Amino acid sequence: DVVMTQSPLSLPVTLGQPASISCRSSQSLVYSDGNIYLNWFQQRPGQSPRRLIYKVSNRDSGVPDRFSGSGSGTDFTLKINRVEAEDVGVYYCMQATHWPRTFGQGTKVEIK
Amino acid sequence: EVHLVESGGGLVKPGGSLRLSCAASGFTFSHAWMSWVRQAPGKGLEWVGRIKSKPDDGTTDYAEPVKGRFTISRDDSKSTLYLQMNSLKTEDTAVYYCTSGQGDDWGQGTLVTVSS
Repeated sequence: DVVMTQSPLSLPVTLGQPASISCRSSQSLVYSDGNIYLNWFQQRPGQSPRRLIYKVSNRDSGVPDRFSGSGSGTDFTLKINRVEAEDVGVYYCMQATHWPRTFGQGTKVEIK
Repeated sequence: EVHLVESGGGLVKPGGSLRLSCAASGFTFSHAWMSWVRQAPGKGLEWVGRIKSKPDDGTTDYAEPVKGRFTISRDDSKSTLYLQMNSLKTEDTAVYYCTSGQGDDWGQGTLVTVSS
């Protein structure tokens, strides 16, 4: 199975400051069609997960533009431009290139 | 608007069975690949399995921990996804979510507790 490794696992941030989460895969996520199926999810406390980013850098509908994704090959990053209180929660990367789909361990974002 | 509503969770003894359902609306269910994802209490997300749409051959794939015990099926006439869980173990205790596509949309989840 493809192992997804996130860092850090805990991220205390100051409101209005940027935040960055890294996600590394144990093998290339480039699919045979040339796409990279790397998604990012947000799970607020007590809620279901919600997808923020698909195929590395595409924001889902309704996702604020302070969220951005980047990366290639095996190295990916989720950035929050200016953290707001509503961004508190756990963030997961997930690869959908290989079966079985696998998630990172999650990064808990909290306000300092 | 997409809605996914899971049901069927509850308390079951080890070795028992349970069937979860996920009622879908707001999109063309028959064309969608659907999956189940679970989350053990206080833990991260784990992909359980997936069923392709019938036009794409309707086959299923499962994560190793549930292979041979869990079965995913669908009834496109009812826009409903199912997860049949047999030979349940305590480590299957989790909130089970149904999700469309590659995690496009998620239900609210249903809690399955396996305990004697």
